Amino acid sequence: DGGITQSPKYLFRKEGQNVTLSCEQNLNHDAMYWYRQDPGQGLRLIYYSQIVNDFQKGDIAEGYSVSREKKESFPLTVTSAQKNPTAFYLCASTILANTGELFFGEGSRLTVL
Amino acid sequence: SQQGEEDPQALSIQEGENATMNCSYKTSINNLQWYRQNSGRGLVHLILIRSNEREKHSGRLRVTLDTSKKSSSLLITASRAADTASYFCATDAKGGSYIPTFGRGTSLIVHP
Repeated sequence: DGGITQSPKYLFRKEGQNVTLSCEQNLNHDAMYWYRQDPGQGLRLIYYSQIVNDFQKGDIAEGYSVSREKKESFPLTVTSAQKNPTAFYLCASTILANTGELFFGEGSRLTVL
Repeated sequence: SQQGEEDPQALSIQEGENATMNCSYKTSINNLQWYRQNSGRGLVHLILIRSNEREKHSGRLRVTLDTSKKSSSLLITASRAADTASYFCATDAKGGSYIPTFGRGTSLIVHP
């Protein structure tokens, strides 16, 4: 089945550690996005990529890094510089030509201990 | 920055009643979308309405768009307990890259 897969679903991190969240899609979509969701704040854009080997910062990129070495993959690293990383992270993808719906993964919940 | 803002933040109704949620936005848009999110899950696309459209239907969903007021509404008719979820609007501002921007959402509870 085609879709977008995020892993892990739950992740615990100690302060000072970097962690990487995986996002893979087999939909042949051009664009991929990472959003952060906190209670009562909706979704905020961290990074997005519209083409392989290129990505752009969103509204809250500080403390995060990404790569887009393959069309199918857009991993997000939460670095130790992110002061409040506990959140629900959502990856999404879409076909740019349609400028239409985003397809979301099931999310990854990161908790800092 | 969040482009769209949903209203109300929370809505509690009985099964069979209609649920109406509103979304306001600030700048000109190409399209507006509505998504649904069950607790702890990813978002699921419900419906997209383009800036040159005024109304769209999909099953029990009816979406309207008023570009002069920069607002949209989502109506769920004959609601069911399974409609309990959070609903988000997302807007795509004219010009630049395709970056859907989400509001804070409306939490809908439908009581059986």
